[in-house]
Amino acid sequence: SQQGEEDPQALSIQEGENATMNCSYKTSINNLQWYRQNSGRGLVHLILIRSNEREKHSGRLRVTLDTSKKSSSLLITASRAADTASYFCATVLGGANSKLTFGKGITLSVRP
Amino acid sequence: GAVVSQHPSWVICKSGTSVKIECRSLDFQATTMFWYRQFPKQSLMLMATSNEGSKATYEQGVEKDKFLINHASLTLSTLTVTSAHPEDSSFYICSAKGAFPYNEQFFGPGTRLTVL
Repeated sequence: SQQGEEDPQALSIQEGENATMNCSYKTSINNLQWYRQNSGRGLVHLILIRSNEREKHSGRLRVTLDTSKKSSSLLITASRAADTASYFCATVLGGANSKLTFGKGITLSVRP
Repeated sequence: GAVVSQHPSWVICKSGTSVKIECRSLDFQATTMFWYRQFPKQSLMLMATSNEGSKATYEQGVEKDKFLINHASLTLSTLTVTSAHPEDSSFYICSAKGAFPYNEQFFGPGTRLTVL
């Protein structure tokens, strides 16, 4: 069964606004990762946050992780039309298990 | 980041035929490769994990005799969809990972399979 559940499932914002996407999961994890997928394309790795980290930044991206609530959020600041894509969170249980378990994804539309 | 390629990028075949999809890590040695399937507007579902030189580990519900996986070298894994049927039409994506402690999986661009 899928580990991650993102919300909202679809988000439409104006260029320049911030976009916040949330992900919840069910079991203890080693790390959580966020990916972007443009329509009909492969996945692009955005950021990885480990279970002992609370926040991470990468350019316009900010990811938080709350292991007590089993949730993570991805914030994209000053969004651009090129940020239009589907975003997935994926969890890794850790140890010898390096499998990624993906959430259902969020479709982000950034209007120019 | 590391580059993973897939070939072909799309394929259309008749029902009952077999289709082979290749996944290559171009600039690193992939000790582990993963195969995913993604239906339209849905998430990626892991089908199987393959380690170089050993048999693939299939996820529950995935038929190993229908989806043959061969990971013969550290840079190449193949997925063969045998006796394909229209319900096998999907987007197949592979990813590759180096040896521990490198956690990141690098994804291929995907292969769109359409079975008529």
